[in-house]
Amino acid sequence: DTEVTQTPKHLVMGMTNKKSLKCEQHMGHRAMYWYKQKAKKPPELMFVYSYEKLSINESVPSRFSPECPNSSLLNLHLHALQPEDSALYLCASSQTGTGRTGELFFGEGSRLTVL
Amino acid sequence: AQSVSQHNHHVILSEAASLELGCNYSYGGTVNLFWYVQYPGQHLQLLLKYFSGDPLVKGIKGFEAEFIKSKFSFNLRKPSVQWSDTAEYFCAVNSNFNKFYFGSGTKLNVKP
Repeated sequence: DTEVTQTPKHLVMGMTNKKSLKCEQHMGHRAMYWYKQKAKKPPELMFVYSYEKLSINESVPSRFSPECPNSSLLNLHLHALQPEDSALYLCASSQTGTGRTGELFFGEGSRLTVL
Repeated sequence: AQSVSQHNHHVILSEAASLELGCNYSYGGTVNLFWYVQYPGQHLQLLLKYFSGDPLVKGIKGFEAEFIKSKFSFNLRKPSVQWSDTAEYFCAVNSNFNKFYFGSGTKLNVKP
């Protein structure tokens, strides 16, 4: 079982909807990540939170809005998405918040379909 | 920018065959190196990692990898594969600033 929990596992939304993906970890990790994975492709980094502050935004469109309410939780708010945004969204965490931080622990992902 | 190259996109082996998957990265500084595995329908799991010390690292399920600094390589090996090793394998590199770069993945099919 993964120690990073993501909800929902599946989400279908229209282009005008607003929805959120949630991620939770209780390992005391101080860095949390959102990755996007399209079929047959490697995970692509979207955002990194380090000590609850946004430290990396890989030029992600503003229709994706991350939020880190506390050290255990990470959200990804979705609004006005496009069909090409359909993908598996992975949350991950790592132990420390800076530098070379040890391995990533991944959740099972939220599979998003945008109609 | 960093990049991670996995040369084999799809590998098909029979059970008991030996496996070697290539991984090369481009970054001149100090790095952490990883191999992750993604079994069908499951999440990414860590197979093994290299931070420092002995360049030959052993992971779970009989996998090992060797870091060769001069070649910027971190190849994954297993002497004898099993049908249950059928999965996709990703090499990843972490340098600084929480950035992990993943290779394009190698899909391994092991025939029983």
